[in-house]
Amino acid sequence: AQSVTQLDSQVPVFEEAPVELRCNYSSSVSVYLFWYVQYPNQGLQLLLKYLSGSTLVESINGFEAEFNKSQTSFHLRKPSVHISDTAEYFCAVHILTGGGNKLTFGTGTQLKVEL
Amino acid sequence: DTGVSQDPRHKITKRGQNVTFRCDPISEHNRLYWYRQTLGQGPEFLTYFQNEAQLEKSRLLSDRFSAERPKGSFSTLEIQRTEQGDSAMYLCASSPVEGRGYEQYFGPGTRLTVT
Repeated sequence: AQSVTQLDSQVPVFEEAPVELRCNYSSSVSVYLFWYVQYPNQGLQLLLKYLSGSTLVESINGFEAEFNKSQTSFHLRKPSVHISDTAEYFCAVHILTGGGNKLTFGTGTQLKVEL
Repeated sequence: DTGVSQDPRHKITKRGQNVTFRCDPISEHNRLYWYRQTLGQGPEFLTYFQNEAQLEKSRLLSDRFSAERPKGSFSTLEIQRTEQGDSAMYLCASSPVEGRGYEQYFGPGTRLTVT
């Protein structure tokens, strides 16, 4: 069965420090990869996605993620976080063959940015 | 484009009662998904529609759960004889036609509390 692992349930970090949120997936077939962000009492918002092409993808608010096929990873990074980045971040995969049309999510990582 | 909307945002019900939730997807999206999210977990897939056809159902969708999308636009999710274990956030998502990346856009969710 396909799965998504987010090893860190919580990541505390000081403002302006860099951060990496880890995501690993297990799949023997091709995947699309996504990061979603969930602010308190809100729904999930698409942060960025990898479909094909360049393995480094970027969002409009400074986050980036790199697809590493050999390590089956899609870690999310930001060189300098802001207090407003405090939220829960979910990694998700879409299995292209035999996985239906659903997203499979990790358990999430709570990013807490402190002053 | 006003995004995916869900109604109600919150529902408190007593065990054994029936509840129904509504989802209005983004207007040009022909795919609609239901997910369930419990505390500390990522969203889990429940079911998926393409237009009015329900094409995929998770094993999580017991026979007490039923979903419809009668005209290929809005969808309803009904839970009969609610149990305390049904308490969760129920998320609806929609996605555009095939070939545009399978990214799913989520609504704000309906939080169900079964007492």
